[in-house]
Amino acid sequence: DGGITQSPKYLFRKEGQNVTLSCEQNLNHDAMYWYRQDPGQGLRLIYYSQIVNDFQKGDIAEGYSVSREKKESFPLTVTSAQKNPTAFYLCASSMVSSYGYTFGSGTRLTVV
Amino acid sequence: GIQVEQSPPDLILQEGANSTLRCNFSDSVNNLQWFHQNPWGQLINLFYIPSGTKQNGRLSATTVATERYSLLYISSSQTTDSGVYFCAVAALNNAGNMLTFGGGTRLMVKP
Repeated sequence: DGGITQSPKYLFRKEGQNVTLSCEQNLNHDAMYWYRQDPGQGLRLIYYSQIVNDFQKGDIAEGYSVSREKKESFPLTVTSAQKNPTAFYLCASSMVSSYGYTFGSGTRLTVV
Repeated sequence: GIQVEQSPPDLILQEGANSTLRCNFSDSVNNLQWFHQNPWGQLINLFYIPSGTKQNGRLSATTVATERYSLLYISSSQTTDSGVYFCAVAALNNAGNMLTFGGGTRLMVKP
């Protein structure tokens, strides 16, 4: 079945560490997105990519980095520069020509 | 950037009741979607509806683009409808397809 897979489901990070969240899709979608969700809040855009080897900052990119070396993969690194990284992170994909989004099941990151 | 406001923020229903959720947005859009987030965090796309009316079972949605609002109707609610409903839009002048989300409506359906 086609879909979008995020891993791990839960991640614990010590202060000062970088961690990388995985997002893989087999939907042949061109565009991929990373969103952050804080408790009781809506989603905010971190980064997005419309084609391989190209990505753009969203509204809250500071302290995060991404890469898009393959169409299927869009990993997100939460760096030590991110002051408050504890949140729920959601990855999504879509065709550029068709606007419907498909979301992964998310990664809950906690700083310990 | 574009602003998205959802109302009500919280809603409690008895099973079998009907409800209407509203989404107001501040600019012209070329993309509007409604999502349901279940208690485990999974977001499911309910409707892609930048204009017009669509129906899917007990759910229907209407977007009046000229007046910058969208409505989501839930009829004969069930406990499985509980969760958070998000409206998300992409502005007409948005070069990509990046969605801006509203704050959500938290729905609890009691048996």
